[in-house]
Amino acid sequence: AQKVTQAQTEISVVEKEDVTLDCVYETRDTTYYLFWYKQPPSGELVFLIRRNSFDEQNEISGRYSWNFQKSTSSFNFTITASQVVDSAVYFCALSEANSGYSTLTFGKGTMLLVSP
Amino acid sequence: EAGVTQFPSHSVIEKGQTVTLRCDPISGHDNLYWYRRVMGKEIKFLLHFVKESKQDESGMPNNRFLAERTGGTYSTLKVQPAELEDSGVYFCASSQEFAGGPYNEQFFGPGTRLTVL
Repeated sequence: AQKVTQAQTEISVVEKEDVTLDCVYETRDTTYYLFWYKQPPSGELVFLIRRNSFDEQNEISGRYSWNFQKSTSSFNFTITASQVVDSAVYFCALSEANSGYSTLTFGKGTMLLVSP
Repeated sequence: EAGVTQFPSHSVIEKGQTVTLRCDPISGHDNLYWYRRVMGKEIKFLLHFVKESKQDESGMPNNRFLAERTGGTYSTLKVQPAELEDSGVYFCASSQEFAGGPYNEQFFGPGTRLTVL
């Protein structure tokens, strides 16, 4: 069965530090999508990135970057030069072809606290 | 364009009472999903509607939970009778019809925080 593990429950950093949020997944499917969502204090889940299983290229978007490694079943998320506004809960998620991509399997989330 | 909306934002009820949560998806989105996050745990899938039909309700915890989507527009999730372990945040998401590519992004609402005392 599919599973997503975010081993870091909470991370605290000081502004301008770099921080990496870990995500390890399990799936028997060869075709799947991986996601990161951000949940700010306002509560909604904000989509950050989607990556399909055939695309292992790393991606950079401003201060955000993602490292997808199929060999270790990991999809880690790095924030460079963190800011207070980055404080939120971050969720990693998986969607499999076997489920018709209809359901998302989430990890438990990592709470990131960025202090000034 | 309005996003996914959920009502109420917060509900506090006593064990044994009934609560109904509402989700209004983005207009035109045929797919509607319910998820739940119990404190400190992962967000778990509850069920998936395609228009008014239940496509997958494998995540519904028990028969105290009833979801409906009459007319294929908004959806309600009723918990009757509520138990302490039902406390958590209930998220709704919607996506467009699965046309073209294999995946259509799910847009999430702000969630309803349910507290059962």
